[in-house]
Amino acid sequence: DTAVSQTPKYLVTQMGNDKSIKCEQNLGHDTMYWYKQDSKKFLKIMFSYNNKELIINETVPNRFSPKSPDKAHLNLHINSLELGDSAVYFCASSQARDLNNEQFFGPGTRLTVL
Amino acid sequence: DQQVKQNSPSLSVQEGRISILNCDYTNSMFDYFLWYKKYPAEGPTFLISISSIKDKNEDGRFTVFLNKSAKHLSLHIVPSQPGDSAVYFCAASISGSARQLTFGSGTQLTVLP
Repeated sequence: DTAVSQTPKYLVTQMGNDKSIKCEQNLGHDTMYWYKQDSKKFLKIMFSYNNKELIINETVPNRFSPKSPDKAHLNLHINSLELGDSAVYFCASSQARDLNNEQFFGPGTRLTVL
Repeated sequence: DQQVKQNSPSLSVQEGRISILNCDYTNSMFDYFLWYKKYPAEGPTFLISISSIKDKNEDGRFTVFLNKSAKHLSLHIVPSQPGDSAVYFCAASISGSARQLTFGSGTQLTVLP
């Protein structure tokens, strides 16, 4: 009964490969996010979807493409992986009308690009 | 350009004492502030929040103070417990900005038994 789940938890791959990270939330939220935690430990927003529509798209390379098949899922596909993509990626969700703006996070996916 | 800063990467406190974690921000448009707690190999979990119309919010052992003029907020934990040992992230948002959170870099709190 995990609220926000991500798969896989760990991902080790070679430079140049294409990989996907999946995210699902069972909280009934209408907004989902992808964050990247870099080596300096900052959590930076990458994308946000509200009701399957893209509402935030920070300066992220085109190699990163989010896909939201429905409100409960927001997957992240990464093409032509580079060394600098190594990081922990967190998915999160929230309810847009929630004044507290509380976002619920998944456990993270540690991506290592060799 | 770090709009939310946590200048102390780590803090150690004795069990039972008060822990004070600090956060500074530069963007005066921020009007909502949150604290998240993160254990290793887990995602951040929401702890407490405060709106800019308030200067204090309390929830059990946790109290957040906001000083708008100084663009500073702090999280007080009292009494501190060993289970509080975690990384604490400060985050800020602007109303109507699609709920985008801007995070600080975190402070590792260690509560010593």
